[in-house]
Amino acid sequence: GQQVMQIPQYQHVQEGEDFTTYCNSSTTLSNIQWYKQRPGGHPVFLIQLVKSGEVKKQKRLTFQFGEAKKNSSLHITATQTTDVGTYFCAGNTDKLIFGTGTRLQVFP
Amino acid sequence: DVKVTQSSRYLVKRTGEKVFLECVQDMDHENMFWYRQDPGLGLRLIYFSYDVKMKEKGDIPEGYSVSREKKERFSLILESASTNQTSMYLCASSLNRGMYETQYFGPGTRLLVL
Repeated sequence: GQQVMQIPQYQHVQEGEDFTTYCNSSTTLSNIQWYKQRPGGHPVFLIQLVKSGEVKKQKRLTFQFGEAKKNSSLHITATQTTDVGTYFCAGNTDKLIFGTGTRLQVFP
Repeated sequence: DVKVTQSSRYLVKRTGEKVFLECVQDMDHENMFWYRQDPGLGLRLIYFSYDVKMKEKGDIPEGYSVSREKKERFSLILESASTNQTSMYLCASSLNRGMYETQYFGPGTRLLVL
């Protein structure tokens, strides 16, 4: 069946360092969504990418959708302690398939 | 703002018990979903529903059933709880069946089966 994998599973960074999580699908996607789950919280929608090669920015967060629409990345520049949490990608074909998530820990 | 509520934040049950997890959304969304979240496995879809009285199996439906008698309410039922069903259960809803719909999650129910 369709799978969406994310790497790394965990990432610990010093505050101010950059962070990137990668998402790969076994099939071509119609679009991809990104969610953030704070510790003890629930996933919250961040952004959606639809077009091949699309790049979107939200302040220090940069989201990319691959040319083949099978992979995506989320890059955070100069992490802050408020960035702590688990980041999920979710690939859409006929239904939304969530990735395995990347848990980010930021040390002050 | 969309609000999705779940009946309990924490639940402790014994093996063999019947367990009901309730989810209510207040934004007239057509679609509702039940996921379980386990470390390293992400969010796995158990069941979903696109309309009242309709249900479809997700990726891991075994050991679970669902009920959607009213549009705003989607219940997850563990007919006979087992220890491998200890997990975080998340309910979500989305507006309709469009391909670009985002999902809104409830706070989750952490279930421990002893």
